[in-house]
Amino acid sequence: DAGVIQSPRHEVTEMGQEVTLRCKPISGHNSLFWYRQTMMRGLELLIYFNNNVPIDDSGMPEDRFSAKMPNASFSTLKIQPSEPRDSAVYFCASIPLRDSLSGYTFGSGTRLTVV
Amino acid sequence: AQKVTQAQTEISVVEKEDVTLDCVYETRDTTYYLFWYKQPPSGELVFLIRRNSFDEQNEISGRYSWNFQKSTSSFNFTITASQVVDSAVYFCALDRGSTLGRLYFGRGTQLTVWP
Repeated sequence: DAGVIQSPRHEVTEMGQEVTLRCKPISGHNSLFWYRQTMMRGLELLIYFNNNVPIDDSGMPEDRFSAKMPNASFSTLKIQPSEPRDSAVYFCASIPLRDSLSGYTFGSGTRLTVV
Repeated sequence: AQKVTQAQTEISVVEKEDVTLDCVYETRDTTYYLFWYKQPPSGELVFLIRRNSFDEQNEISGRYSWNFQKSTSSFNFTITASQVVDSAVYFCALDRGSTLGRLYFGRGTQLTVWP
């Protein structure tokens, strides 16, 4: 089991540029989550999907953020245009739907720096 | 509203000391799930334990133990005979049973274990 795979690990971009973060969940996990971690706000949920369908995107900060899950093995989080305040660590996590035994498995995160 | 409070921002101990990390939660749900995660300096989020609201049994796993008390809405984590490798940020989190998937995280406790 390769775990949840995120890419890139680090991203440095200039303000105004488009940024795309990628996530591959664990095979067989039908729920996928995007979290953001900042010093100011801690860990907060941005959006999550069940069976590739967005269920709750109330945590997406504004229209500059969008997320997609075109199939069960891939999701993207896009920021366009990026701003310095978007600098954070973005985590992806997955879990089997309605699993009652395990914790959420997180990827290693993408550290985004917008200059 | 759901809320998780970790009042201890930072704790420092000397190796071999026991240390308890506090977690207090708020929810009106009768079914919910509580978690602890470890975030070492490398940055990943490592799942430690999941506890269901209807199971108040304490749990021990090696040097780790957890005390769940619904009467005080607390889910405390104790490390016995701490080691330098235990140095990390520890997060307590809550998941509502009715909307499985959204984790509400506390702000974390930075534990430093000195040799």
